[in-house]
Amino acid sequence: ETGVTQTPRHLVMGMTNKKSLKCEQHLGHNAMYWYKQSAKKPLELMFVYSLEERVENNSVPSRFSPECPNSSHLFLHLHTLQPEDSALYLCASSQEGWASGELFFGEGSRLTVL
Amino acid sequence: KQEVTQIPAALSVPEGENLVLNCSFTDSAIYNLQWFRQDPGKGLTSLLLIQSSQREQTSGRLNASLDKSSGRSTLYIAASQPGDSATYLCALRGNSNYQLIWGAGTKLIIKP
Repeated sequence: ETGVTQTPRHLVMGMTNKKSLKCEQHLGHNAMYWYKQSAKKPLELMFVYSLEERVENNSVPSRFSPECPNSSHLFLHLHTLQPEDSALYLCASSQEGWASGELFFGEGSRLTVL
Repeated sequence: KQEVTQIPAALSVPEGENLVLNCSFTDSAIYNLQWFRQDPGKGLTSLLLIQSSQREQTSGRLNASLDKSSGRSTLYIAASQPGDSATYLCALRGNSNYQLIWGAGTKLIIKP
């Protein structure tokens, strides 16, 4: 148990569906992240929120839409995805500030796009 | 541009051996370096975080060292066990607050 909970753990969706991934952290951290992990590729940073404001957005297609309503919750809204978007989506959190930045990850949401 | 390399990509050793995993980086201007393990299909578990001003960190059978001048970090695992089998990743934080530069990982198999 890392203190970062992701739901659902597995999701299968068609290309025309709309779904959302949810992440919740119980660590009192002030930054939350979405990462994409595809087979045989390094982790790709998608979005970062610090104090509920988006501070990093790494040229992610608009079919991925993040939302951070408060410092404990992070969503990734999915719409009209492509089969190549199938991957493990990982949420992480950290406490940013002096001598900080250790990342704690959730178990991931395995997404399959048909 | 910072690059992080983990060699070897895969390692298989008998149970009980002490072993060292390597993480090399090209730019010594780092903020911190973190080691993770990842079990198949699972998320990442943080093992150790070394701040730029530190030389090593220890947790149980794990010891991570950092040598910025040589651009190298090592993860030492003592008395390896089959449960240590996983992929081990290193990631370092440079000048940008939120960007981590990731290695591709070393897949470790401990044979009973």
